[in-house]
Parts: sequence; C-alpha cells; structure tokens
Amino acid sequence: DTAVSQTPKYLVTQMGNDKSIKCEQNLGHDTMYWYKQDSKKFLKIMFSYNNKELIINETVPNRFSPKSPDKAHLNLHINSLELGDSAVYFCASSLVQGNQETQYFGPGTRLLVL
Amino acid sequence: DQQVKQNSPSLSVQEGRISILNCDYTNSMFDYFLWYKKYPAEGPTFLISISSIKDKNEDGRFTVFLNKSAKHLSLHIVPSQPGDSAVYFCAAIISGAGSYQLTFGKGTKLSVIP
Repeated sequence: DTAVSQTPKYLVTQMGNDKSIKCEQNLGHDTMYWYKQDSKKFLKIMFSYNNKELIINETVPNRFSPKSPDKAHLNLHINSLELGDSAVYFCASSLVQGNQETQYFGPGTRLLVL
Repeated sequence: DQQVKQNSPSLSVQEGRISILNCDYTNSMFDYFLWYKKYPAEGPTFLISISSIKDKNEDGRFTVFLNKSAKHLSLHIVPSQPGDSAVYFCAAIISGAGSYQLTFGKGTKLSVIP
C-alpha cells in the first residue's frame, strides 16, 4: 500500500504548456506539502495545505497553483511552463504528534521542460 | 522497513556545547545524504549535504561525517545555540538515470538549553 503517491512519475513537455501533477495520501494526515528539488538536490518548500487551507505560500511564481479537492489530495498545477521549471517535485503529507512532526514523502515527479 | 533511521527522537544540549545528531541507513544504494532543520508547521530548511564519495563536509558551525562502512552519518553542531532548537531530519537519495528516491528519517528534536 503506497502511503503517498504521485502521478505521473515522469513528465516531459514543451515550454508554454500547462500541466498538473497529482498527489494522494491514504494516511489520513491533515497537512500536505509540495517541494521542488533543485539541481543541487536541495528541497525547497513551495506550498502546504492544512485541512484544505493554504498555510504556507513561499515566493513561487503565480504560474504555480496548488489545488486540494479534499484532505487526501493536493495537486500542483503549473501554467506556461518554462525551462527553469525542470526539476523533481515532491509531495509530502504530515503527521503531528505532540511537538514531533513526521513528513512522509512521495516518490517524486521528474519534470523536464523542453 | 525504515531505510533511514534516526534512533534518538530527542536530544538536549547545553548552549555552547557540541550537538551530535546521528543517522543510520541500510540501503547501500544511497549516494547522497542531506540534513534538514525544521520548525513546527514549516517545511524543512536545508542545512548541509554530503556525497557518498566523501567522509566529511563542513559549513560554518555544521559538520557532517559519513562512515560508509558502518552506514552511519552524523551532524555536529558546535557551538550549539538556542536558535538551533528544532527537529533535524536526515535524508538520503538514490540518484540514477531517470529516477529519484528521497528517503527521510523520522527526525531528532534538538533542544539547546541557554
């Protein structure tokens, strides 16, 4: 049973296109995140959702928009794709127990913009 | 089956002393290791990384040591400061042609006592 799943695993597309990456978690967690991993393998947070409310919105271009139809899903939609958007994108869900938070990551979606 | 393990859920250190956070892994395919610092309800902040071809990497007060034969890495913070109090995550990457796998440990909560 996959706890956090992302589709597609690989996405190759042309500049200017609009694409979506889907994320689903079956852990019952309240918070989900989207991260972008850059060429140096640094994870940078993009968005997080808690109970369908956006609680963190880093300074990412407004071409990127998170969409959460329900608590188990947080999809990432990207408009007018640019070359620099090529990266691996990770979805995560979060369990908070006391002061301890554990994030469970999806396998990643490798996006290549040509 | 946890491939990346942080066996100490918490650690308390006096200000000015050294903090040592440990991480063990089981998968010999991991070729890159990262440490992240995280505050509650925020995404992780990248701290320092090390490639599997090295055994030490230093950045200011942070030093990461890698012992491949023991499948063990550690993060040293010296001197520790109260602002270092956070949860620290160890992460490991398998990179390769066309795929990424990023695995996080469950975190160690560091408390630096003034």
